[in-house]
Amino acid sequence: DTAVSQTPKYLVTQMGNDKSIKCEQNLGHDTMYWYKQDSKKFLKIMFSYNNKELIINETVPNRFSPKSPDKAHLNLHINSLELGDSAVYFCASSEILGNQPQHFGDGTRLSIL
Amino acid sequence: GENVEQHPSTLSVQEGDSAVIKCTYSDSASNYFPWYKQELGKGPQLIIDIRSNVGEKKDQRIAVTLNKTAKHFSLHITETQPEDSAVYFCGPYNQGGKLIFGQGTELSVKP
Repeated sequence: DTAVSQTPKYLVTQMGNDKSIKCEQNLGHDTMYWYKQDSKKFLKIMFSYNNKELIINETVPNRFSPKSPDKAHLNLHINSLELGDSAVYFCASSEILGNQPQHFGDGTRLSIL
Repeated sequence: GENVEQHPSTLSVQEGDSAVIKCTYSDSASNYFPWYKQELGKGPQLIIDIRSNVGEKKDQRIAVTLNKTAKHFSLHITETQPEDSAVYFCGPYNQGGKLIFGQGTELSVKP
C-alpha cells in the first residue's frame, strides 16, 4: 500500500554507464517530481510533470531524461554517469501542481565508482 | 531567484524541552508554507503546513507560526521526544509553483 514507490533503493555503478530509476504513485495524483539530495542533505528540484507533461526543468544536464508514460509513473534515465551524480534521488507526487503537500518516496541512493 | 534561509542548522535539546526552527524566504508572492521531517533512510514527510491567510496552526505538539510581513515562518515542537530526532526542512513555494527547500535542521533529542 506504499503511496510513492521508487526502485531500486540502491544503485552502484561505474562512471560512464547509463542507468534508470523508476517511480510509481498510487495516490491518483496529477503531478510528479524528481529531487536530488546531495551529501550535505540539500534538496533541490530537478523536474516536475503534470499529467505527463513536463512543467519544470531546473537546468539539469541533458544527460538526465525524465519520462512519464502515464500520470502514475515518472522514470528518470541518466546517461554517461559522472562522479558528481552520486546522490540520493527522490520521487514525489502532489494532487495538483503548486501550493500542495508533496508525498515523497524513500529515495534511490546512487553511487558512482 | 527565491532565497530560503533556515536556522539553526543543528539543534540539540533534552527530552521534554521545546525546539524552534526558523525559515526566512524572499518571494513575497509565496502563500503556502510547509514543514517536512526526514528520518534516516526515508523521504521527507509533511508534518504541518500553513497558508498565508492564517497566522498560526497547531497539531498536538507541533505548531507553525507565520509572519508574512517579515517573510518568515517557524516550526515549534513542544515536549520533545527521542523520536522527534530527524532533519527538518521548510519548503515555501515560490511564485513559479516550485517548492524551494531550506538547508535543513538536524534536530537531536537526548533522553
